[in-house]
Amino acid sequence: DAKTTQPTSMDCAEGRAANLPCNHSTISGNEYVYWYRQIHSQGPQYIIHGLKNNETNEMASLIITEDRKSSTLILPHATLRDTAVYYCIVITYGRDKIIFGKGTRLHILP
Amino acid sequence: EAEVAQSPRYKITEKSQAVAFWCDPISGHATLYWYRQILGQGPELLVQFQDESVVDDSQLPKDRFSAERLKGVDSTLKIQPAELGDSAMYLCASSPRTSESYNEQFFGPGTRLTVL
Repeated sequence: DAKTTQPTSMDCAEGRAANLPCNHSTISGNEYVYWYRQIHSQGPQYIIHGLKNNETNEMASLIITEDRKSSTLILPHATLRDTAVYYCIVITYGRDKIIFGKGTRLHILP
Repeated sequence: EAEVAQSPRYKITEKSQAVAFWCDPISGHATLYWYRQILGQGPELLVQFQDESVVDDSQLPKDRFSAERLKGVDSTLKIQPAELGDSAMYLCASSPRTSESYNEQFFGPGTRLTVL
């Protein structure tokens, strides 16, 4: 599975949009981009995934560049409860295995 | 909403002792995973079950760790003997078997192990 690169940490003001970048320059055509997050003292939670089109659900939006080498997770109106570690993961089509990196620690500031 | 259950939530043990963790996946989920998460790192897969069969245990330290899912439902992860380096969060996750290319994993709250 392709490796991902994320910033170690980010801050965002409460109520603003949080934009979390992820680089996956070695992604191949049959690999999807997934995002999970882990709130302190809890297990990871699935957020969203995509292949090449932008995706949106009730939690977030995922913007994937046309060349698929990077993506951005957008939390449109961040709240204090969004403080967590966010993991960007690339998974091969048809496989279940998740390889977590260190993720981005997002701090939402009041 | 159905959740993955794990017990105990916290465990303190002395090195060389045996320790066991239990996981009850979401009802009907065929796939069960055990992960280990060291502080400051992302979770690392230890073992994956499909029903009662192990499909991936390549990262499981088999000299001291064992895992079973005898009836294809709940699962137990055991460490014997525990070492100081085993201090970590042990997470269990489950996913359904569907026709989708990927099935979301649902994680439990984890068991925090401290080895003294």
